[in-house]
Amino acid sequence: ETGVTQSPTHLIKTRGQQVTLRCSSQSGHNTVSWYQQALGQGPQFIFQYYREEENGRGNFPPRFSGLQFPNYSSELNVNALELDDSALYLCASSLAAPGESTEAFFGQGTRLTVV
Amino acid sequence: AQRVTQPEKLLSVFKGAPVELKCNYSYSGSPELFWYVQYSRQRLQLLLRHISRESIKGFTADLNKGETSFHLKKPFAQEEDSAMYYCALSSGGYNKLIFGAGTRLAVHP
Repeated sequence: ETGVTQSPTHLIKTRGQQVTLRCSSQSGHNTVSWYQQALGQGPQFIFQYYREEENGRGNFPPRFSGLQFPNYSSELNVNALELDDSALYLCASSLAAPGESTEAFFGQGTRLTVV
Repeated sequence: AQRVTQPEKLLSVFKGAPVELKCNYSYSGSPELFWYVQYSRQRLQLLLRHISRESIKGFTADLNKGETSFHLKKPFAQEEDSAMYYCALSSGGYNKLIFGAGTRLAVHP
């Protein structure tokens, strides 16, 4: 089975620009979650997609948006980038169901730097 | 509000010493608790879940609902245990995880 892969690995953007980060879920998984990890902090939940529908959102503004595709790959889009958006962005996939938590498999992350 | 607190940023021990990484949580309900670990240059991975009640790599963690804690313990630390450890909480299923800030465990020879 293949693991979770994210692209690109590193990215530098200018304040005000837009960015799209991509995630390929592990085969057979129906759920993908995105996390933001600032330096020295734990990952913070941005949002989750379950069977292509948004299924919960953390404390992030609407300029953070996402998509999950029929093949369960996913995108995280961030508009109007701010300097504080500089962080490691993690994608995690799992085979989940209502009321049940299982192991989440993480990608290696995309390091976004906003200048 | 749901929250996970790991009070120690760094825990430094010698090989063979006991280890306890602390985790406290706040949640009104029945949470699921996890420990995730990140070894150097590797991705974040699951170490153990409270519902499985397993011992993984010699580590155990017991959920104490009275103290709202889920401390990670190992009786004899090994150098290969050096890593970043994150305690996480999931509510309502679906693996929507709330992480603590993490504790770096450094095991010295």
